[in-house]
Amino acid sequence: DVVMTQSPLSLAVTLGQPASISCRSSQSLVYEKDGKIYLNWFLQRPGQSPRRLIYMVSDRESEVPGRFSGSGSGSDFSLEISGVEPEDVGIYYCMQGTHWPFSFGQGTRLEIK
Amino acid sequence: EEQLVESGGGLVQPGGSLSLSCSVSGFTFRRHAMHWVRQAPGRGLEYVSGISSKGDSTFYAESVKDRFFISRDNSEDVLYLQLSSLKIEDSAVYYCVRGATGSGIWFDPRGQGVRVIVSS
Repeated sequence: DVVMTQSPLSLAVTLGQPASISCRSSQSLVYEKDGKIYLNWFLQRPGQSPRRLIYMVSDRESEVPGRFSGSGSGSDFSLEISGVEPEDVGIYYCMQGTHWPFSFGQGTRLEIK
Repeated sequence: EEQLVESGGGLVQPGGSLSLSCSVSGFTFRRHAMHWVRQAPGRGLEYVSGISSKGDSTFYAESVKDRFFISRDNSEDVLYLQLSSLKIEDSAVYYCVRGATGSGIWFDPRGQGVRVIVSS
């Protein structure tokens, strides 16, 4: 199985300041058949089900604010929040969908400083 | 509105078996891959198993391989997960999730999952 490693595991950010989370995979996430990368980002707010924010590295789900952006290639990816808002508190997970079975990172807890 | 409703959880002894079901509505079940994801108390998300839209391909995390069995009934819009040889570390809330765009997954925002407790 592909191992996904996130860092940091926790993050405390002042409101309005940027935040960045890294996600690395144990093997390339380029899908051989189509050359695309299936890397997703999820946010799980306290007491809620996870919600997908980003798919295919950098495509935002509808209604996801523009302050969220994803980037990366090969096996190295990141999620950036340009200015943290109170509703961004929660645990962020990356998940690869290139290789079955899919796999999640350990999660990164974001708190407000 | 799309909805995924899990059932079948409960308390089971180590080494025991359990069967989970997920009834879906609001979307064309047979067109989507389906998956199970679990979350142990206070822990992160763990991918468990997935099945193709037709049910002809199945995949399992290494941690559950040869113990869990995923299946689906496209005529009844139901997803199943058979759990056997259960271990204490299988205790978790199990979520049924739908395949989504870009080889992703979609969690029902109102989904509660189903709790499995493995304990003697």
